[in-house]
Amino acid sequence: QVQLQESGPGLVKPSETLSLTCGVSGYSISSAYYWGWIRQPPGKGLECIGSIYQSGSTYYNPSLKSRVTISLDTSKNQFSLKLSSVTAADTAVYYCARQRGYSYFDYWGQGTLVTVSS
Amino acid sequence: SYVLTQPPSVSVAPGQTARITCGGNNIGSKSVHWYQQKPGQAPVLVVYDDSDRPSGIPERFSGSNSGNTATLTISRVEAGDEADYYCQVWDSSSDHPGVFGGGTKLTVL
Repeated sequence: QVQLQESGPGLVKPSETLSLTCGVSGYSISSAYYWGWIRQPPGKGLECIGSIYQSGSTYYNPSLKSRVTISLDTSKNQFSLKLSSVTAADTAVYYCARQRGYSYFDYWGQGTLVTVSS
Repeated sequence: SYVLTQPPSVSVAPGQTARITCGGNNIGSKSVHWYQQKPGQAPVLVVYDDSDRPSGIPERFSGSNSGNTATLTISRVEAGDEADYYCQVWDSSSDHPGVFGGGTKLTVL
């Protein structure tokens, strides 16, 4: 059974960099899938931040591209998100998920709330 | 970039059929996926590739996609189907891996 678990600070100061990690169990991230990050501001809808393929190729939401870096750590079977220059608008529940190529997200983590505040 | 439009809310009585639409320019040429999200929980995939159901999803959930509109249909609606529903596509024109619709709140009367 594929399981994903987000981890990282729950509070980030404005202008700093948000960093989250997604640990994966039950499946090797080196296999042929994409691995993505999705966020959901309180009371609002889902927004895909981006995805990374097992080769390291990345695909980012154009509206966030200038601030986002997604990377893989195959030795730890995990992948990471960095979002720079955060503001209060980046406060959200952040989910990691497995994604079929050019397609759907089939396994999701439980989500982690990140608040941007001084 | 590509935009998906959903109605904010749909209401239906138990036992009836709910239809939730997802509009997009020539969406019929794309593969559309649908998620159910209950309060405080992560989204769950209920329909993928327009009309396929993952293992464990009841047959009451079905999908279609043609022209400028994709539709999620929930037959014989139950109280437990009350949730937010989101459509999603991969926008190949911008390599945006996950364009989501704004979501539809399904209320079971």
